[in-house]
Amino acid sequence: DGGITQSPKYLFRKEGQNVTLSCEQNLNHDAMYWYRQDPGQGLRLIYYSQIVNDFQKGDIAEGYSVSREKKESFPLTVTSAQKNPTAFYLCASSMTSRHTGELFFGEGSRLTVL
Amino acid sequence: AQSVTQPDIHITVSEGASLELRCNYSYGATPYLFWYVQSPGQGLQLLLKYFSGDTLVQGIKGFEAEFKRSQSSFNLRKPSVHWSDAAEYFCAVSGGSYIPTFGRGTSLIVHP
Repeated sequence: DGGITQSPKYLFRKEGQNVTLSCEQNLNHDAMYWYRQDPGQGLRLIYYSQIVNDFQKGDIAEGYSVSREKKESFPLTVTSAQKNPTAFYLCASSMTSRHTGELFFGEGSRLTVL
Repeated sequence: AQSVTQPDIHITVSEGASLELRCNYSYGATPYLFWYVQSPGQGLQLLLKYFSGDTLVQGIKGFEAEFKRSQSSFNLRKPSVHWSDAAEYFCAVSGGSYIPTFGRGTSLIVHP
C-alpha cells in the first residue's frame, strides 16, 4: 500500500542531544513537509521541500534541520538549539503537479525531552 | 497572506444529534479548502475538499461542507453524529503558494 511512514512513533531524548525523525513516502510525490503540533496550536510548518536537493524554511524552522537527498525521504533533525522540542511531529507529502495544497500525512512521531 | 479561524476549541454533542463545525478563512481569491480529521496520537486524514464548482461538497464518513464566498466560510456538517466521530477536526486553506495553512482545530466530544 502506498503511504507515508514515520519512525520512530515515540522518542525520548535528553536535553542537549540531537535527534532525527525519519519520514519515507512511496506515493511518488514531489513535495514533502514537516509540521509541529502542540495542544491548542494547530499545525505549524517547520520545513518543506518541493524537489530533491532543495528545501525552504517554514514558520518555525529555528532549531531544526532537514535534508532531501532522495525523493522518497525527508528526515528532520531536532537540534539542541530547539528550546522546547517536546511535541508531536507530522510529516506530509503532496503532488505538486496538481497545485492544490492537498496533503497526505504520516502517523506522526511524538518526541519527549527528559 | 492566508489564514484560517476555527472559533470553537471544543464542541460537545449527543450521539445522534446534528453537528456543525465552523471555519472562516482569509484569502484574496478563490481558495482551495480542506477539512481533516485526527484521532488521538494519529496523523490527519482528509475528510473533504473544495476546489471549484458545486459549493456543497460531500466527503467521507457522511460529512459535508458548504463553501460560502460571501461569508468566507467553509463549515463542516453531519446530520447524525456517531460516537466514533469524536476526534480533532482541522480546517485548512491554500492559495497561490499551494502551502496550506491550518486552523487551530476543534475538538469534538460525543456524549452517549
